[in-house]
Amino acid sequence: GAVVSQHPSRVICKSGTSVKIECRSLDFQATTMFWYRQFPKKSLMLMATSNEGSKATYEQGVEKDKFLINHASLTLSTLTVTSAHPEDSSFYICSANRGQDQETQYFGPGTRLLVL
Amino acid sequence: ELKVEQNPLFLSMQEGKNYTIYCNYSTTSDRLYWYRQDPGKSLESLFVLLSNGAVKQEGRLMASLDTKARLSTLHITAAVHDLSATYFCAVDMNFGNEKLTFGTGTRLTIIP
Repeated sequence: GAVVSQHPSRVICKSGTSVKIECRSLDFQATTMFWYRQFPKKSLMLMATSNEGSKATYEQGVEKDKFLINHASLTLSTLTVTSAHPEDSSFYICSANRGQDQETQYFGPGTRLLVL
Repeated sequence: ELKVEQNPLFLSMQEGKNYTIYCNYSTTSDRLYWYRQDPGKSLESLFVLLSNGAVKQEGRLMASLDTKARLSTLHITAAVHDLSATYFCAVDMNFGNEKLTFGTGTRLTIIP
């Protein structure tokens, strides 16, 4: 099956710093990727849709200047949490749609962010 | 706004028993997904249901979709401990553009 990777898997940072999370599709090209966040014992919330070669589409209530998304190639999307604060601590998960196989969205392993 | 609700939120059941998890959604959609999540892990795809009346089975799990009732079920047959996990349903919000709204999740614990 298709594989989506994320890096790093865990990151701890100080308040005020920026953190970049990478999402890669390893064996297929993804014109569209999605970024979700998940709080402990809660469901996943869609943050934004990342489109290759164009601006990301953010969901209502998600600050685009805080969560910068770049989809520079068909296999890589990055999420940068700028000026991180403790309330940004969460589990961030990306997913990718292979395009040919519209039926399944493939999820990355997730990145656990802890902001001190 | 699309809302997706699961019932129950928590479920403890004994090994060998059968049970059903329900997923209700509030607006029209013909594409529903079931995922499994183990603690600290990401999502594992279980089923994709693409049409009214769709039924899919894999091992002890069976999923069905009734688009008219806006209801999907995940049925567990003769539960085993390995099925302990959190199960999410997710609905495609916009007919194939893959933006998913996730259900609240059902935390399933199988007791020996």
